[in-house]
Amino acid sequence: DAGITQSPRHKVTETGTPVTLRCHQTENHRYMYWYRQDPGHGLRLIHYSYGVKDTDKGEVSDGYSVSRSKTEDFLLTLESATSSQTSVYFCANSDPGQGNYEQYFGPGTRLTVT
Amino acid sequence: AQKVTQAQTEISVVEKEDVTLDCVYETRDTTYYLFWYKQPPSGELVFLIRRNSFDEQNEISGRYSWNFQKSTSSFNFTITASQVVDSAVYFCALSGKNRDDKIIFGKGTRLHILP
Repeated sequence: DAGITQSPRHKVTETGTPVTLRCHQTENHRYMYWYRQDPGHGLRLIHYSYGVKDTDKGEVSDGYSVSRSKTEDFLLTLESATSSQTSVYFCANSDPGQGNYEQYFGPGTRLTVT
Repeated sequence: AQKVTQAQTEISVVEKEDVTLDCVYETRDTTYYLFWYKQPPSGELVFLIRRNSFDEQNEISGRYSWNFQKSTSSFNFTITASQVVDSAVYFCALSGKNRDDKIIFGKGTRLHILP
């Protein structure tokens, strides 16, 4: 168990409002990831981080930004939420430098943009 | 390019039957990693197994077993004597050996175990 928590677990927001989702890990895993999961699309990578202040884009990064100021926290921000960003968001971590290539996932955040 | 194909979108079996979930992958890497994840109706994603490309030994864990065959680029997952609690979506996934290699997930197979 990689000890990942996500907050909030559920959120309803209005179109055009900013939203920040938080991911917290209890390990010192170097890599952290944000995915979204939608019916018919499976899991899609939004952004990932390979260290403090080191981030990069995934396949669906438009409309999202991330920050990682501490090893344990990885924030996902929707600057101006749109209805197309209604989804379930998962955070994950891994530590391939230590041989831990598998990713462990948090419980997910269900975001609804009205 | 890397790709993972789970051709079975949905499977239904009666409890206590054995069921095999298929996974076929494509990669040009000589070293890679394969994974299976389970997503039960409650929604969390649970890591089940990682298999390294240089280790083709089959793995058994209780009622779960995995058959890795490089010759056919397959990493199939069998549940023996299925139970209702096995009902879930199962994802097969692939990554390269480099630290920045992403995990590529298949679309998943939804498994229904009927009582």
